[in-house]
Amino acid sequence: QVQLVQSGAEVKKPGASVKVSCKAAGYSFTSYYIHWVRQAPGQGLEWMGVLNPRGSTTNYAPRFQGRVTLTSDTSTSTVYMELSSLTSEDTAIYFCARETTDSCFDSWGQGTLVTVSS
Amino acid sequence: DIQMTQSPSSLSASVGDRVTITCRASQNIITYLNWYQQRPGKAPKLLIYAASSLQTGVPSRFSGSVSGTDFTLTINSLQPEDFATYHCQQSYKSPRTFGQGTKVE
Repeated sequence: QVQLVQSGAEVKKPGASVKVSCKAAGYSFTSYYIHWVRQAPGQGLEWMGVLNPRGSTTNYAPRFQGRVTLTSDTSTSTVYMELSSLTSEDTAIYFCARETTDSCFDSWGQGTLVTVSS
Repeated sequence: DIQMTQSPSSLSASVGDRVTITCRASQNIITYLNWYQQRPGKAPKLLIYAASSLQTGVPSRFSGSVSGTDFTLTINSLQPEDFATYHCQQSYKSPRTFGQGTKVE
């Protein structure tokens, strides 16, 4: 079955960077876009960006442009999300999700908690 | 950016109730609207896509509808496992904005 498995929780200091991985299994990796969505404590969902594993093209939300980088490794079916210049406002759970041809997210990773604290 | 205004932010309901949640888009998004359910500590789960299509495996008590830029998620005969937070999301264009969420408690 389709699975997206994310890396474990991270604790970072302000100003640092974090890199979260999302390993796909159970489907053709290059056939589906992977999106990243975050959720701050007690808040709603916020879309960050998308990567097309076939060609590694990306599109980022304007508020994260310049600070987020999505990459992929087709040999391991893994997508990476790197967020730089962290502040306490980046403390959140980060999810990866697969987009279907119906433009919806049918499978999600389990989430990765990133805590930014001095 | 397309703004998604979801209401109410929370609602109180009982098992067996009919629940309605609304999402209004700031511009025409045709039927590019999805609904997700999120239980505490879990990832969101797709319920409805393309405004009214039921995702495979989702109970038929969930339904979606659209009128112009107003989208509605209806839960008929609320079950104990339905107490959760519901999110709408437009997939018409990037950034793929979400509503603020509705907590059903």
